[in-house]
Amino acid sequence: KQEVTQIPAALSVPEGENLVLNCSFTDSAIYNLQWFRQDPGKGLTSLLLIQSSQREQTSGRLNASLDKSSGRSTLYIAASQPGDSATYLCAVGPGTYKYIFGTGTRLKVLA
Amino acid sequence: NAGVMQNPRHLVRRRGQEARLRCSPMKGHSHVYWYRQLPEEGLKFMVYLQKENIIDESGMPKERFSAEFPKEGPSILRIQQVVRGDSAAYFCASSRSDSSSYNSPLHFGNGTRLTVT
Repeated sequence: KQEVTQIPAALSVPEGENLVLNCSFTDSAIYNLQWFRQDPGKGLTSLLLIQSSQREQTSGRLNASLDKSSGRSTLYIAASQPGDSATYLCAVGPGTYKYIFGTGTRLKVLA
Repeated sequence: NAGVMQNPRHLVRRRGQEARLRCSPMKGHSHVYWYRQLPEEGLKFMVYLQKENIIDESGMPKERFSAEFPKEGPSILRIQQVVRGDSAAYFCASSRSDSSSYNSPLHFGNGTRLTVT
């Protein structure tokens, strides 16, 4: 049974820091991995999708990497800003459509 | 280019009443997924539908819950005889229908927050 874990559960950093969010999964037979952002009381916004054949994806200040063999993905945020404060969710697609979500990392960037 | 639209945003029901949650997918999307987020828990898959077909309902409780995605109109998640444990945020997502849909990103709505009193 696939399990997705995100560490740390919460993170508070001063503005301008580069930071890394971690996601690990127990079954390496995944189809893809997606990072989302969730703001309080809102829905999820897709940030990056990495297909199983890819190693990383980049969008602006965000970079996500995938190491299937070790069951890990990291989301790197460069030069963090207060507007980055949100919960970041990692979800793995196990070959079909049933994304399995981690419980998220709550990020707070202090001005 | 409207995103996934869910309504209502907030829904309050008394125990024993019925709750109906609606979801209109993004334009051009014919795959709809419902997820539930309980307080302090991650999102859990409930059901996957295509137009007029339930593809996988393995994450949905067998009793009181049902879902549909008719040929015309939005997808509906229906909860009969609600109980306090049904209080949660219910999210709908959609994806494209072409052959690359497995690697299409999921687009989520803003959710319906159901409170059962």
